[in-house]
Amino acid sequence: DAGVIQSPRHEVTEMGQEVTLRCKPISGHNSLFWYRQTMMRGLELLIYFNNNVPIDDSGMPEDRFSAKMPNASFSTLKIQPSEPRDSAVYFCASSFGLAGGLGELFFGEGSRLTVL
Amino acid sequence: GIQVEQSPPDLILQEGANSTLRCNFSDSVNNLQWFHQNPWGQLINLFYIPSGTKQNGRLSATTVATERYSLLYISSSQTTDSGVYFCAVDNTNAGKSTFGDGTTLTVKP
Repeated sequence: DAGVIQSPRHEVTEMGQEVTLRCKPISGHNSLFWYRQTMMRGLELLIYFNNNVPIDDSGMPEDRFSAKMPNASFSTLKIQPSEPRDSAVYFCASSFGLAGGLGELFFGEGSRLTVL
Repeated sequence: GIQVEQSPPDLILQEGANSTLRCNFSDSVNNLQWFHQNPWGQLINLFYIPSGTKQNGRLSATTVATERYSLLYISSSQTTDSGVYFCAVDNTNAGKSTFGDGTTLTVKP
């Protein structure tokens, strides 16, 4: 398996622009997670999906952020409008979990976002 | 929610030395994982170990679930072991994985 695939790997944009990050989870996995990593705040869970349904979006910082999972093999994280404080590395992860647990997480290589 | 504490926060070793990293958690867990984030930023799975002991080459891990801690052992460290080591746990109450702040390891040649 190719692992979790994220795109783009790097994105530089100007404040106010829309940013869309993409993720393809590992085939057969039923949970997908979006994390954000910064020096100040470490790894933060933004949102996670189980069987394509958003389960917990309490980590989404504000309404400028939205995430979708239209099918089992694709998810997007969108920021509109972007701000300099959104600059971070955004990771997508997937797992196969059974009742009572999320299973083993596997991470993509991340998307490094810089908002000027 | 569940609290995860890792120690030490920073560790500097000479190549060839051994080390032990610790992860304490505040509640019972369904899953516990150790990750290595290398200097290029990749998060690499080391162990999936909610309980017991596992070994993989120079690395081994032990989780004592009843006492709510896990240990990661690195023997004969190499410069390529440098990076940040994260512990992550989840339980039914939390419903999501919680990461510790990590241990930053620097191995000097």
